[in-house]
Amino acid sequence: DAGITQSPRHKVTETGTPVTLRCHQTENHRYMYWYRQDPGHGLRLIHYSYGVKDTDKGEVSDGYSVSRSKTEDFLLTLESATSSQTSVYFCAARGLAETQYFGPGTRLLVL
Amino acid sequence: SQQGEEDPQALSIQEGENATMNCSYKTSINNLQWYRQNSGRGLVHLILIRSNEREKHSGRLRVTLDTSKKSSSLLITASRAADTASYFCATVGFNRDDKIIFGKGTRLHILP
Repeated sequence: DAGITQSPRHKVTETGTPVTLRCHQTENHRYMYWYRQDPGHGLRLIHYSYGVKDTDKGEVSDGYSVSRSKTEDFLLTLESATSSQTSVYFCAARGLAETQYFGPGTRLLVL
Repeated sequence: SQQGEEDPQALSIQEGENATMNCSYKTSINNLQWYRQNSGRGLVHLILIRSNEREKHSGRLRVTLDTSKKSSSLLITASRAADTASYFCATVGFNRDDKIIFGKGTRLHILP
């Protein structure tokens, strides 16, 4: 996992509540990514960061925001969770030769 | 939009047999990568092949790339129970801002 951790690993929340997922890396990677994984859709990019305070949208960014105030931390926030955001969320960091190192994932259930 | 499309979606083979998975993509690529995902875990990088390479080996893995057909294959020889997982191809374009794009994966099940 190249030193990438995610917290929490599991979360159950109610529709309309804000949720923040945290990704932490110890390898000083510049690029970091948030994906969601759903059956039939594979991995879809939500947001990514190319440096501290530098972020950009991915394929499915609506309803999500991110922040990166330190190299090691990349936060994903669901401002007002909806049932369609029930998913498994993966954080990744880009290593050498454009390969990606993934965290263990966060299972989020929005009731 | 998805760049890589794996085929088949699911594959079951006997332990000891070889497993072949294919990936097709649509646009020109700088490199193509294969990842493995065990149930409930994150993806793990297996191998990367660049657009100017045709074949690459890593242990029991063999990857081929045919840029004229925009396709790649992953061969796992002498399969083991531990190879049971989902396998994803991922492509990277030439532009600096290009992001890696993952396919939907092939679920491989090794039967004892």
